[in-house]
Amino acid sequence: DAGVIQSPRHEVTEMGQEVTLRCKPISGHNSLFWYRQTMMRGLELLIYFNNNVPIDDSGMPEDRFSAKMPNASFSTLKIQPSEPRDSAVYFCASSLTGRGNTIYFGEGSWLTVV
Amino acid sequence: AQSVTQLDSQVPVFEEAPVELRCNYSSSVSVYLFWYVQYPNQGLQLLLKYLSGSTLVKGINGFEAEFNKSQTSFHLRKPSVHISDTAEYFCAVSDQGSYIPTFGRGTSLIVHP
Repeated sequence: DAGVIQSPRHEVTEMGQEVTLRCKPISGHNSLFWYRQTMMRGLELLIYFNNNVPIDDSGMPEDRFSAKMPNASFSTLKIQPSEPRDSAVYFCASSLTGRGNTIYFGEGSWLTVV
Repeated sequence: AQSVTQLDSQVPVFEEAPVELRCNYSSSVSVYLFWYVQYPNQGLQLLLKYLSGSTLVKGINGFEAEFNKSQTSFHLRKPSVHISDTAEYFCAVSDQGSYIPTFGRGTSLIVHP
C-alpha cells in the first residue's frame, strides 16, 4: 500500500519566492497533519485537518504560511514570501481519526531558502 | 495540557550493548503513549504504543517499553542494539481527550561498532 506521498522531496529557493509543498495522505485516512522539523525547535505541529477542515492551526508561524485541503486526497502548505528561517524539513502525516491511532508520516520535503 | 520530556538528547552505545531511552510525560488525565523512530533522511514510523492493558509493550525490531503510571514514565529499552538501530527516537503522548499527540524533542541513538 502506498504511504503518505510528499512532493517535492527537495526544494532550494531564493528568499521572497513562493513555495508550495504537496501531500497525498493514505487513502481512507481522515486526519492530516503538517509538521516542521528543525535542529533548534525539534518537531512542531503546524496545522491539523479533520475531514478536510482545519481544526487546529495554532502552530502556523505567521501569515506567510497557509495550508489547504481541498479534498480528502490532497493538501498543500504554502509559504509566501519565503525567508531563510523557513529552511527546515516539512512532514505531512495522516491517520484515521481516533484517540491513540497511529500517525503515518511521509518522507518529508527538505526546504532550503537562500 | 500534556507535555513530554526526553531526558537525553544523545545516547552513544556500542553494538550488542543494552540501551534505555528515557521518556517522562505530564498530563492531568489518562494518556496514550508512543515511541516513533526516524531513520536518516526518512519520516517517522511507529515503534510501539501503549493504549491500555499490560504495562510492558513490545514493538518492532526487538524494542520494548514499560508504562509506569506512578513515575509518569515510558522508557524504551532494547537488550542488544545493532548498528542499524542508529536513528532518532521520539516519545509522544496523547491524552484521552485529544486526537493530537505531543512529541518530545527526540533522542539520537548512536551505535558504535
